Amino acid sequence: QVQLVQSGAEVKKPGSSVKVSCKASGGTFNSYDFNWVRQAPGKGLEWMGGIIPIFGTTNYAQKFQGRVTITADESTSTAYMELSSLRSEDTAVYYCARLLRQLGGSFDIWGQGTLVSVSS
Amino acid sequence: DIQMTQSPSSLSASVGDRVTITCRASQSISSYLNWYQQTPGKAPKLLIYTASSLQSAVPPRFSGSGSGTDFTLTISSLQPEDFATYYCQQSSSAPWTFGQGTKVEIK
Repeated sequence: QVQLVQSGAEVKKPGSSVKVSCKASGGTFNSYDFNWVRQAPGKGLEWMGGIIPIFGTTNYAQKFQGRVTITADESTSTAYMELSSLRSEDTAVYYCARLLRQLGGSFDIWGQGTLVSVSS
Repeated sequence: DIQMTQSPSSLSASVGDRVTITCRASQSISSYLNWYQQTPGKAPKLLIYTASSLQSAVPPRFSGSGSGTDFTLTISSLQPEDFATYYCQQSSSAPWTFGQGTKVEIK
């Protein structure tokens, strides 16, 4: 059974960067499509981008192009999401999630979430 | 981008009630529509994929229907653990987009 475990909460200053990790256990890491979805306080879900480690291909939402970088380390079965030029509006819980093509491209497994707070 | 619109934004219901939530896409997405349940402080949980397929271990009181642009999620008999926020999401074309959510509250 695949599980996704994310790194802990972060507090950042405006203008800085944050890098959140998502470690997968169980399953075949390289074949999965790992995505990042964020949720601002009291708001809905927003897809940021994803990576397929076996191909090394990434796909980003236009809104975050140039500010987000998603990578994967096969040796540790860990995916990363780095967001730069942070502003207060980036305060949110960031989730990693597996997109499974066999289930119609749905996000079937989620990490527990990482709270990123941006404040001066 | 494909816009997803859910209605209502919130509803109040009692245990045992039948509840229906609708989701409309701004263009046809065939059956590439998924439903999630989220309780406070928790990650979303996949309930339904490809409009009507029940995810493993999800109770059969949850069902989904629709195709094209109009979809529904139905809870046949609301249970106490079903009070949560529900989101639809399209997986037809990137960027993957979600509805704004429907909060189901206790009447």
